[in-house]
Amino acid sequence: TQLLEQSPQFLSIQEGENLTVYCNSSSVFSSLQWYRQEPGEGPVLLVTVVTGGEVKKLKRLTFQFGDARKDSSLHITAAQPGDTGLYLCAGAQNTGFQKLVFGTGTRLLVSP
Amino acid sequence: KAGVTQTPRYLIKTRGQQVTLSCSPISGHRSVSWYQQTPGQGLQFLFEYFSETQRNKGNFPGRFSGRQFSNSRSEMNVSTLELGDSALYLCASSPVMLGQGNTEAFFGQGTRLTVV
Repeated sequence: TQLLEQSPQFLSIQEGENLTVYCNSSSVFSSLQWYRQEPGEGPVLLVTVVTGGEVKKLKRLTFQFGDARKDSSLHITAAQPGDTGLYLCAGAQNTGFQKLVFGTGTRLLVSP
Repeated sequence: KAGVTQTPRYLIKTRGQQVTLSCSPISGHRSVSWYQQTPGQGLQFLFEYFSETQRNKGNFPGRFSGRQFSNSRSEMNVSTLELGDSALYLCASSPVMLGQGNTEAFFGQGTRLTVV
């Protein structure tokens, strides 16, 4: 059972456009992480958000954790080709056998 | 500080064979978890090891097994390989067990296994 749904699944945009990726769940997480993965490589941790309502910025990327700690969003301003990749959210929980639950992923393509 | 190292990077095996993959975590990290990634299923949790003990296990058949050594290095073994086992196998290391505190997992580059 996939506990974290990401939308959209695929996104193809032009350089300079803005975009938002959503990560939604009915479960509450103690923290939530965002990763970016390039083809043939492992996911690279971008950020961890912990507190409900928390907003973190990483250059042109803005991450927000929902007030109820069930959802998160990633907003990219003025996307660049280097932002191309698979974006994964992952929620941490201390119950169940799977302590770090991964989202379904959003594949982003930014064309010059 | 060196990152997570997985070996080998690429592997081609025949159906019915077995394979062992290796993962060296970040120095000081005691948790190693393994994931299978396929285009259709995404990232699926296999198991987590901490202090040489398996702490959590995902819904995979018994053909998938692992172990962790005293230096925290971990190996994953898949026996009687099937075509469907073709995937990118990722390991991640964490300083504490997943689910404790603000758990952060750091991934290796993965091992691409192709079963023919």
